[in-house]
Amino acid sequence: NAGVTQTPKFRVLKTGQSMTLLCAQDMNHEYMYWYRQDPGMGLRLIHYSVGEGTTAKGEVPDGYNVSRLKKQNFLLGLESAAPSQTSVYFCASARLQGSQETQYFGPGTRLLVL
Amino acid sequence: GESVGLHLPTLSVQEGDNSIINCAYSNSASDYFIWYKQESGKGPQFIIDIRSNMDKRQGQRVTVLLNKTVKHLSLQIAATQPGDSAVYFCAERRQGYSTLTFGKGTMLLVSP
Repeated sequence: NAGVTQTPKFRVLKTGQSMTLLCAQDMNHEYMYWYRQDPGMGLRLIHYSVGEGTTAKGEVPDGYNVSRLKKQNFLLGLESAAPSQTSVYFCASARLQGSQETQYFGPGTRLLVL
Repeated sequence: GESVGLHLPTLSVQEGDNSIINCAYSNSASDYFIWYKQESGKGPQFIIDIRSNMDKRQGQRVTVLLNKTVKHLSLQIAATQPGDSAVYFCAERRQGYSTLTFGKGTMLLVSP
């Protein structure tokens, strides 16, 4: 049981390039999330999904797109990378249990946009 | 190493001391709260959670206290160890929502 995995672990992009970050979970969780983490800013929600085929915007969605074609995978896309998107990206998944929702995080993807 | 700790409040303790990390949350409609631990270079790791119908919950060496009157959450770590050194985040979930709002974190430094 690998939990939540993310690929790649690290990537360098030039401004204007595109890329896709992949998140996979093997816990059969319904909910999946993408966050970015910047120094002193904590974790900010980019997009999330409450089930296969559904996505929703979070706090900072601009410049990103997502897709949840399979329950176990959640993809985060950057169509035209900007230096402001240099950050550490974390994916999380959760199974809603009653009124509780413990999110389990992946190890992160470090992205540098030059 | 990770730069997530820049500009964070920092708590420095000696090994064996008890640590208390505080968090003020914003929304009186929040019904679920979580504490996460994040070590350098890693993703946040679940520590303990508490629902709004409780005011205290204990785990192994950790206790979470919830004071809804003043919207305050605290994490107590007993007999703090060097391995407890990390950034600690609180998170709240507003009732009826499926997303969490995270605090900015507190860095805990434990010296031997």
